[in-house]
Amino acid sequence: EIVLTQSPATLSLSPGERATLSCRASQSVSSYLAWYQQKPGQAPRLLIYDASNRATGIPARFSGSGSGTDFTLTISSLEPEDFAVYYCQQRSNWPPRMAFGQGTKLEIK
Amino acid sequence: QVQLQESGPGLVKPSETLSLTCTVSGGSISSYYWSWIRQPPGKGLEWIGYIYYSGSTNYNPSLKSRVTISVDTSKNQFSLKLSSVTAADTAVYYCARPLRFFDLWPLDVWGKGTTVTVSS
Repeated sequence: EIVLTQSPATLSLSPGERATLSCRASQSVSSYLAWYQQKPGQAPRLLIYDASNRATGIPARFSGSGSGTDFTLTISSLEPEDFAVYYCQQRSNWPPRMAFGQGTKLEIK
Repeated sequence: QVQLQESGPGLVKPSETLSLTCTVSGGSISSYYWSWIRQPPGKGLEWIGYIYYSGSTNYNPSLKSRVTISVDTSKNQFSLKLSSVTAADTAVYYCARPLRFFDLWPLDVWGKGTTVTVSS
């Protein structure tokens, strides 16, 4: 079973700064890695899929990179609405399943 | 635009079976995989399982012995049953649909979630 480990658990930054969030898989997931944003009381929102593709309507300041076991979500210049919890998620081919990382909370410094 | 809505009892007694339904509106349930995900209070997301519109399923191994997901294409609904619940099953339960009809992932359309509390 593939385990995703996100770091850091909490990231404290100010608006305008660059955020770098990490997700590491216990074994290769190829490019089957997605990132979600979740705000309090809301359902998660898909940001990035296939490691680096932005979902529809996601601002260009969000970017994803990586393949295999190491992945990064970068927010180039933080806006006030970007402070939230971010989850990575992988999809395995066989058995066909998915799993989430434990999340990174991005908070205002 | 496709919308998902979870429904079901908000309170379930320990040892009983949790039953939820997800109603799909604005689109057909056909040709897609449909997932259930849950989130305990203050914790992260846990994938429960999925069902393909044709009826094939796959579950999280940690819940497999207690989970059944079914689909009713005539009603454009799919359902979750979780048996022998305990307080650890208290969570917000989400239903979701993937971005692409040929793949179970990534999850692009989500319901708003429904809170289920397990308590006597």
